[in-house]
Amino acid sequence: GAGVSQSPSNKVTEKGKDVELRCDPISGHTALYWYRQSLGQGLEFLIYFQGNSAPDKSGLPSDRFSAERTGGSVSTLTIQRTQQEDSAVYLCASTLETFGQPQHFGDGTRLSIL
Amino acid sequence: SQKIEQNSEALNIQEGKTATLTCNYTNYSPAYLQWYRQDPGRGPVFLLLIRENEKEKRKERLKVTFDTTLKQSLFHITASQPADSATYLCALALSSGSARQLTFGSGTQLTVLP
Repeated sequence: GAGVSQSPSNKVTEKGKDVELRCDPISGHTALYWYRQSLGQGLEFLIYFQGNSAPDKSGLPSDRFSAERTGGSVSTLTIQRTQQEDSAVYLCASTLETFGQPQHFGDGTRLSIL
Repeated sequence: SQKIEQNSEALNIQEGKTATLTCNYTNYSPAYLQWYRQDPGRGPVFLLLIRENEKEKRKERLKVTFDTTLKQSLFHITASQPADSATYLCALALSSGSARQLTFGSGTQLTVLP
């Protein structure tokens, strides 16, 4: 497709379960970002991938969070042993990695932990 | 510590008037600043970018100013319409050498009343 695609759009799970969130970036975009947005809040940076470089994981809130990007394209964000405070919208964005390029966002995955 | 503040959580204006949204920052030296629009249940959409050496940028009914002395950006929507109702986010990029990370404000919710 033409834009960034995220799946699932909604996910409800029980506390303690693991979840996987998927992001399909725009074709040709070398940079990929994951953000978290809690209700009424701004975007909290989680992790950044650029080409074959080691990812910038500085925003991951705990070691329960991990992400990978296979073949420089699709990315998966995994949250293990989910907690209620993990409930939020998880947004993915991709961009051409040149200075000043806008980030193109998917519509996010709304994660609810019961 | 570094901080980005956007003016009042919600702004209501009458159709046809000019909406002015504020983004203030402290302890940053941004290379550029971006503005995004976010509709409910959707990801942010890029609107405008302004660089540190630019004072003003325009796009159709939108105008952005950037005052690095005041550490402030103003975002104007002229001849506002109900369709302009959305949350508007400002985002700062810190490094002139890389678009690696944007730091987002929490957003201002704009409602244009018919």
